[in-house]
Amino acid sequence: GESVGLHLPTLSVQEGDNSIINCAYSNSASDYFIWYKQESGKGPQFIIDIRSNMDKRQGQRVTVLLNKTVKHLSLQIAATQPGDSAVYFCAENIRNFNKFYFGSGTKLNVKP
Amino acid sequence: NAGVTQTPKFQVLKTGQSMTLQCAQDMNHNSMYWYRQDPGMGLRLIYYSASEGTTDKGEVPNGYNVSRLNKREFSLRLESAAPSQTSVYFCASKTSTGGFPYEQYFGPGTRLTVT
Repeated sequence: GESVGLHLPTLSVQEGDNSIINCAYSNSASDYFIWYKQESGKGPQFIIDIRSNMDKRQGQRVTVLLNKTVKHLSLQIAATQPGDSAVYFCAENIRNFNKFYFGSGTKLNVKP
Repeated sequence: NAGVTQTPKFQVLKTGQSMTLQCAQDMNHNSMYWYRQDPGMGLRLIYYSASEGTTDKGEVPNGYNVSRLNKREFSLRLESAAPSQTSVYFCASKTSTGGFPYEQYFGPGTRLTVT
C-alpha cells in the first residue's frame, strides 16, 4: 500500500511465491494508471499500464487489477524471483498524459 | 542507444549556489520531464516540456527553471539552492505519438545535496 513519511511499507515474500502490491489512488477522475519498478540507485522502469475502462490487464508474470469503486489498484507478480526485489510505484493520470502523480511506493523484498 | 542520460550523477552545493542539471535523450521523443524524489516518497513533477519550444509547470516548480535546448536536451536550473532542494532528480522522456502505453523512460538520476 501507500506510505506516509520516510518509511516505505515493505512486503517480504519467499522466492517462488506470488506477490500482491497494493495502491490506493486519490482522484476518482483518474483514467489511466501505470506501475513502475525502481531498483536501488536506478530510475523507475515501466512494468504495465491499465486504462479506466478495464478492470484487469495481464503481462508477462504480472497482472494489474483496477477497482474504481474503491479507487484501488493492485499489482500481482507470479512466481516472484530475487530480481523482482525493488520499490514498486503506481502512477495515476487525469486526462493529461504529461502529468502523472506517483504514489510513495512499496518495497518488495524477495527471500531466497 | 544510450536512452536518457543525466549529468552529473552526484553534486554537493552550498546554500545560495546555482547549478544546472543536464539531461539528454536519443530516442527522438517529443516530451521530456524533470522529477524530484525525496526519501520514502514517490516522484513529483517539477517541469515538463510536451514538445520542443514549450515548457510547463508541474506540481513543485518553485525554485527551479528549465530550458528545452533542442529536441534532445532539457536542462533544470537551480538559481539559488536551498537545503529543501536536497533530493534525487530524475529526467524522463516519452514519445507523444503512437498512443498507449504512455511510458516514460527515466534516466539514472542526479543525487543533489545542499548544505
